[in-house]
Amino acid sequence: ETGVTQTPRHLVMGMTNKKSLKCEQHLGHNAMYWYKQSAKKPLELMFVYSLEERVENNSVPSRFSPECPNSSHLFLHLHTLQPEDSALYLCASSQVWVGLEQFFGPGTRLTVL
Amino acid sequence: GIQVEQSPPDLILQEGANSTLRCNFSDSVNNLQWFHQNPWGQLINLFYIPSGTKQNGRLSATTVATERYSLLYISSSQTTDSGVYFCAVMISSGSARQLTFGSGTQLTVLP
Repeated sequence: ETGVTQTPRHLVMGMTNKKSLKCEQHLGHNAMYWYKQSAKKPLELMFVYSLEERVENNSVPSRFSPECPNSSHLFLHLHTLQPEDSALYLCASSQVWVGLEQFFGPGTRLTVL
Repeated sequence: GIQVEQSPPDLILQEGANSTLRCNFSDSVNNLQWFHQNPWGQLINLFYIPSGTKQNGRLSATTVATERYSLLYISSSQTTDSGVYFCAVMISSGSARQLTFGSGTQLTVLP
């Protein structure tokens, strides 16, 4: 498999559930990103990992918890979410966290009931 | 922080027409990229273009960094070009990075 993959593609969860989103990149990149895309809003960068270290955390609520066990995998752990957290969550990777040439996964469409 | 403005916000074209999408940014940037998000949500790289001009088939892009804008040209548009076009810019200063996306241009190409 090539590129950036994300699972699941769709997720419906209640506010008390705990779930995780998974991202895997097969490009040999060293930086990985989580973005949130809400309707009618620009993409919001949530987290950046470079060489498995978190280098950016853009004031994201603690109910979102990222994890990067190695340079190919990135997780976003979700707990006690709110309905306004419903959005498309996109993962991306790039060679390094200095350039911008990012490659995106297909996204996870999250609905919080 | 840096402001990124894209215009027009919406564009409807007849198949075969040409179009120009614009991205203005409020500060000097180190990098700029254009993406196409298809109707299924997939973001696809179009150009990595911090300056100069690049062409790829019916698409081309020009960034004039000194004047703080970038243009994306689509020629002989096809229905598969429909979707949202985003530009994204990055400012690097020492170890600090700021990455900002524009709000996008929603393009609809009619058959």
